[in-house]
Amino acid sequence: AQRVTQPEKLLSVFKGAPVELKCNYSYSGSPELFWYVQYSRQRLQLLLRHISRESIKGFTADLNKGETSFHLKKPFAQEEDSAMYYCALGTGANNLFFGTGTRLTVIP
Amino acid sequence: DVKVTQSSRYLVKRTGEKVFLECVQDMDHENMFWYRQDPGLGLRLIYFSYDVKMKEKGDIPEGYSVSREKKERFSLILESASTNQTSMYLCASSRDGTQPQHFGDGTRLSIL
Repeated sequence: AQRVTQPEKLLSVFKGAPVELKCNYSYSGSPELFWYVQYSRQRLQLLLRHISRESIKGFTADLNKGETSFHLKKPFAQEEDSAMYYCALGTGANNLFFGTGTRLTVIP
Repeated sequence: DVKVTQSSRYLVKRTGEKVFLECVQDMDHENMFWYRQDPGLGLRLIYFSYDVKMKEKGDIPEGYSVSREKKERFSLILESASTNQTSMYLCASSRDGTQPQHFGDGTRLSIL
């Protein structure tokens, strides 16, 4: 069955420190992976998707099919990165499978 | 830019009431979704629709129903609201299953 696991509900890092939000998925086919972000009092929005292989707001994520992971990384965290982050899996069906989310807090 | 509009940001209802949450998208997307968002539980899919008058149950459909009479509009119905349905409800739309979903602002529903 399809499943997305985000093992950390809460993550705190200091400003300027590297940050990594973990995401593992379970799917036997060819996955589409996404990271969504929700800033305080804003709507959930797409941060990046693996197929585009681009860096958004300094974040990158590499799909590792061997480890079935899609971890989100940023070398130097900023205070404005504090938000809720969701990893999501697409399987070609109509819906996405979301993880339970990680709340990132960047400490000044 | 895709616009997904939910009719209310905040709603307060009483137990037993029939509650309607409305969602409209303006990008001619085929797929529309209703989620509820609860702390520690993430996003849970209630129902989705891939075409007019078509619907599929998600992970937690009990106590809910949906209606999609027009392509741009997807309604979530709480037949008889209960306190455990107090939550943030998010609507989303997408062109197809390989494309990202676009979300509305959410409706924070309180059932008293």
